[in-house]
Amino acid sequence: DAGITQSPRHKVTETGTPVTLRCHQTENHRYMYWYRQDPGHGLRLIHYSYGVKDTDKGEVSDGYSVSRSKTEDFLLTLESATSSQTSVYFCAIKADRNSGANVLTFGAGSRLTVL
Amino acid sequence: AQSVTQLGSHVSVSEGALVLLRCNYSSSVPPYLFWYVQYPNQGLQLLLKYTTGATLVKGINGFEAEFKKSETSFHLTKPSAHMSDAAEYFCAVSGGGGTSYGKLTFGQGTILTVHP
Repeated sequence: DAGITQSPRHKVTETGTPVTLRCHQTENHRYMYWYRQDPGHGLRLIHYSYGVKDTDKGEVSDGYSVSRSKTEDFLLTLESATSSQTSVYFCAIKADRNSGANVLTFGAGSRLTVL
Repeated sequence: AQSVTQLGSHVSVSEGALVLLRCNYSSSVPPYLFWYVQYPNQGLQLLLKYTTGATLVKGINGFEAEFKKSETSFHLTKPSAHMSDAAEYFCAVSGGGGTSYGKLTFGQGTILTVHP
């Protein structure tokens, strides 16, 4: 499964608290992505990274920040969680061997509930 | 910019019947097109992709899709449904080559139910 690990897999938190989700990959791929999945919306891109310290916004980036201080880890932070951020969050990588085909491989997901 | 519309949020078929899941896309550049499948409580798994070349592409589990540029469509088919095909299916598009950093834009998903 391309060595993608998301943590935590499940989290329940309260409105206004900070939350950090971690995506860890073991194969040193350059491109990493954070998506959120909501019923009726499919998956929507939050942020992506194309190298260490190189990140950019996706279509639903408000309320989220990311960091990538080393190749293997891509962190997604909700500075002050809101109920609208209750979702399932997926990390994805683009394997370098598939760089021309834009094939993404997804992690197992992190289910976040904000009360 | 790209967008994807999947026609029908739920599709129900009988086991052994034809599966047809519809996807239309919009793209300002030549597209790459994908179908992913998601089984309950799992991540997404690639079924098939179109990049360039042959417009009829075959994927895993007997699925195939045809890229029709004139109709801006990439419908997914399988001749005979199996109970194990029950899942949610997502169509996705990206800009081709190095134009998009690999970012995918997804449709809203179609839940496929297979009846015995």
